[in-house]
This record gives sequence, structure tokens and C-alpha cells, in this order.
Amino acid sequence: NAGVTQTPKFQVLKTGQSMTLQCAQDMNHNSMYWYRQDPGMGLRLIYYSASEGTTDKGEVPNGYNVSRLNKREFSLRLESAAPSQTSVYFCASSERGQNQPQHFGDGTRLSIL
Amino acid sequence: QKEVEQNSGPLSVPEGAIASLNCTYSDRGSQSFFWYRQYSGKSPELIMFIYSNGDKEDGRFTAQLNKASQYVSLLIRDSQPSDSATYLCAVTSFSGGYNKLIFGAGTRLAVHP
Repeated sequence: NAGVTQTPKFQVLKTGQSMTLQCAQDMNHNSMYWYRQDPGMGLRLIYYSASEGTTDKGEVPNGYNVSRLNKREFSLRLESAAPSQTSVYFCASSERGQNQPQHFGDGTRLSIL
Repeated sequence: QKEVEQNSGPLSVPEGAIASLNCTYSDRGSQSFFWYRQYSGKSPELIMFIYSNGDKEDGRFTAQLNKASQYVSLLIRDSQPSDSATYLCAVTSFSGGYNKLIFGAGTRLAVHP
């Protein structure tokens, strides 16, 4: 019963490097999300995908891109990493529609030097 | 910007006592309300959701919602040291044709023996 799987779990990058965070869910959910969590600021939505083939910006999209590869997978890319992007990144998924709770992966802890 | 406010804590309660966690939100149109528990270094885990005014009980947990006052709370009865965690309040907000979840920064609960 995997739920939402994120890879990698930890990563250290140098400023200017690029990388892609991977997320896959096996719950047949339509909607997927990427959040970042910083101390004292709670979870902030970066991008979301309401359904396969659609993506939209959230609260803090600058410096990120996403791809909804198929119904299961939703990746987050940092094209040119900056120290301000040091954070814990969570992927989540849910059924589409009102009143649907989101289920979270274990997170990726990303440090940018 | 829609907001969800929580006291950051820490809220310290003795084992066996009732812990009361509170949350206020700014969007009067919010329909769904969720409580997540997050242990240090772990991902958020859904523990309660409530959609209608009043109380909803699940085991030792009770969620309370007052839409007129834009207030939602979580009561934990017979608190245990294992309940020590950060509790995140999340509220739906309809924007851009889609319901998004807005998270509070969380309240840290410490249950001491």
C-alpha cells in the first residue's frame, strides 16, 4: 500500500544546478499537488494538476516547472536552483471535487548551497 | 490572500488532559475543513475532517466548526505523549475554478507525562 511515493528523499545541490523531483501515486487520484514547507510558514502550494493533462500555478510558482506525465506521475523541476529554494517539498494527491482530503508523500529534503 | 491562522504554541498539556487546538480562517466561502498531524521530520497525516457546523467525533478526537465565527477547533481527549506533534489546520478556498487547500502554519502540541 504505497500511496504517494516521492524520490529522492534527500538532495544537496549547488546554486545554479537543475534537478527534478519525482512523485507517483497508486490511488487512482485525479488531482496532484506540489507544496513546499518552510519553518513557521506552513505548507505553500507551488503547482497543482486538477486532472491528467492540466497544470496550474499555486501560491509560489516562480523558479519551478511541473509536468503531469500521466495520471500517476507529477514531477517538479528546478531549472536553476537558488538558496531560497532550500525547503522540504511534499507531493500530495486527492480525488477531484469538493471535500476531498489530500494524501501526502514522505517529502524531499532539498538543500541548495 | 486567503488566510488560515493558528497559534504556533507550543501548547503544553499533562498526560490525560484535554488538548484544545484552534484555527480561524478568512474565506467565508470555505466549505471543507481538515486537521492534519505532523510528527517532526515526517509528512502531514489526515486525522479529521468536518464540513458542517457543529461537532464531529472520532475516537479521542473531536472537530468543532462554527462557520459564522469562521472558527474551527480540534479537541484531543485523554492526551498521550504520542500525541505530541504539530497540528495543521487546512481550509478549502475556491479560486481559479478550483478548490485549493490553504494551510495554517500549525500548532505544536507537547504532552508531558
